[in-house]
Amino acid sequence: SYVLTQPPSVSVAPGKTASITCGGDNIEAKSVHWCQQKPGQAPLLVIYYDNDRPSGVPERFSGSNSGNTATLTINRVEAGDEADYYCQAWDIASDHWVFGGGTKLTVL
Amino acid sequence: EVQLVESGGGLVQPGGSLRLSCAASGFTFSSHWMHWVRQVPGKGLVWVSRINSDGTTTTYADSVKGRFTISRDDAQNTVSLQMNNLRVEDTAMYFCVKGEPLDYWGQGTLVTVSS
Repeated sequence: SYVLTQPPSVSVAPGKTASITCGGDNIEAKSVHWCQQKPGQAPLLVIYYDNDRPSGVPERFSGSNSGNTATLTINRVEAGDEADYYCQAWDIASDHWVFGGGTKLTVL
Repeated sequence: EVQLVESGGGLVQPGGSLRLSCAASGFTFSSHWMHWVRQVPGKGLVWVSRINSDGTTTTYADSVKGRFTISRDDAQNTVSLQMNNLRVEDTAMYFCVKGEPLDYWGQGTLVTVSS
């Protein structure tokens, strides 16, 4: 089955840029979506179809997808961005949705 | 405002059954795929099952296929997950999720399988 690989953790200072990667075989052929989960809360979609933002999500959040890596980028990181981030994609071969293992973003 | 409210979780012994339900509101329920996703506390998200907008197509993760059944009632705006032959490893928070991509999530209902 298709596997999405994320780094377990990323740390960034406030005001800097955080990049969270999601690796997969030829992932650029898939649409990648990203959700944010804060402790004790349900996940929240922050990027869909590689680089679209739902209403209410700050413009600081953006995405890209090329080759074997999709990336979630958060500019001007704030303390409130500290959360777990998951990439997700639909695998047509298995007809299953797949999640990455999640990345814990720590704001220093 | 989209709302998804799960219910039906609880403590069950291995081999037992539970039926989870999700009440949806704030959107045209009959137009959207619906999913169940689970999460062991402290661990990552795992997709479990989905059902298409008219209920004719269902898909399951390999780990639950043959034991879990997803269904929907568009008259009641609900989606359900019948879980049979439960195992200790099914212990998790179960989230009801709308759409493709998975865009709105409920708060979850906790299922604990233990003797």
